[in-house]
Amino acid sequence: KAGVTQTPRYLIKTRGQQVTLSCSPISGHRSVSWYQQTPGQGLQFLFEYFSETQRNKGNFPGRFSGRQFSNSRSEMNVSTLELGDSALYLCASSLGAGVYIQYFGAGTRLSVL
Amino acid sequence: AQSVTQLGSHVSVSEGALVLLRCNYSSSVPPYLFWYVQYPNQGLQLLLKYTTGATLVKGINGFEAEFKKSETSFHLTKPSAHMSDAAEYFCAVSEWEVQGAQKLVFGQGTRLTINP
Repeated sequence: KAGVTQTPRYLIKTRGQQVTLSCSPISGHRSVSWYQQTPGQGLQFLFEYFSETQRNKGNFPGRFSGRQFSNSRSEMNVSTLELGDSALYLCASSLGAGVYIQYFGAGTRLSVL
Repeated sequence: AQSVTQLGSHVSVSEGALVLLRCNYSSSVPPYLFWYVQYPNQGLQLLLKYTTGATLVKGINGFEAEFKKSETSFHLTKPSAHMSDAAEYFCAVSEWEVQGAQKLVFGQGTRLTINP
């Protein structure tokens, strides 16, 4: 079974631009969660999508948004990029029910110049 | 809100020595606990998990962890370190939200170095 696939692996953007990151979950998984990893703040939860609906949201500004498609693939968008948005963005997929185990992709490393 | 504390941001051991990575959590409900490992330029790989049942859980690569409710701890151990164990290790607790949603709350991570 294929794992969680995140594209692209690396991105370089400038301040003020917007960016879209993509995540394809493990086949059969209906939940996709996004996390931001930075040296200063560590791993922080952004949001979770389940069956095309945002089910949970972390404490991030509205510039961070996402969506999920009917095939469970998810995209995350960051508008008006700031230098502080430079981070590794990790996507995790799971069944989304019961005590579900989250499986992570390799991440997208975003650098904002 | 739940929280996770990992004691020691850096741990260094000799090859063949015992590995002990410490994790303490705070939770108002029975916790579900996880250890993940991250190798350079990679995502997180699940090492092991505790949900219910046996408090000593075994994971991949020879790692195990013991859930101690009285100490609110979930320390990770491996009897004999191998060079390939060098990585960053994250302890996490699952935090429940409405509608059955869960999110992982992570500790700050412990970087494990293995000396030859």
